[in-house]
Amino acid sequence: QQPVQSPQAVILREGEDAVINCSSSKALYSVHWYRQKHGEAPVFLMILLKGGEQKGHEKISASFNEKKQQSSLYLTASQLSYSGTYFCGTVMDSSYKLIFGSGTRLLVRP
Amino acid sequence: ETGVTQTPRHLVMGMTNKKSLKCEQHLGHNAMYWYKQSAKKPLELMFVYNFKEQTENNSVPSRFSPECPNSSHLFLHLHTLQPEDSALYLCASSQEVAGELFFGEGSRLTVL
Repeated sequence: QQPVQSPQAVILREGEDAVINCSSSKALYSVHWYRQKHGEAPVFLMILLKGGEQKGHEKISASFNEKKQQSSLYLTASQLSYSGTYFCGTVMDSSYKLIFGSGTRLLVRP
Repeated sequence: ETGVTQTPRHLVMGMTNKKSLKCEQHLGHNAMYWYKQSAKKPLELMFVYNFKEQTENNSVPSRFSPECPNSSHLFLHLHTLQPEDSALYLCASSQEVAGELFFGEGSRLTVL
């Protein structure tokens, strides 16, 4: 029931775009996105609820395709501060457990 | 400062020791969680408490014993641990179950 994230790692130049994907084999109630910098706690980015949502947070946005049980996180015009590990977490319809994927390491270089 | 405080930040213990991790949240949230983070299994859910009641035990070995005396405090009691239990233990809270999580800085545990 752990969601699958891809890619596992991404290296970008400052200003480039990236997409991180998260998919589940089960029907989802919601998808969460968090970012964790090295040596720090994970920090909440956004929640998307079933019904097919899109949300934006500065230059970071996400979509949730309920039918495909997939979510994507879009990072546009990346900044050095975007570096870190991005985790998606999923909550299934039948449970209120938030289960995280294995993470995507993002490195933005000057 | 996320409003979730964990102590101790670092803990080294032998396999026969008994120790406890403490978590306190100052956000007025109703749900609290323990997650284990290691290189092999990042952010692995252990326990969920909602209004002081345990609602989830994610198949955690009995050598880990949680306690939630009130909505603001959560403990993880540790006894006869194994070296593979060495990890970062993260506490989190949320207003409602499976809502936005606020994480503490974590307790880095090393079992010798």
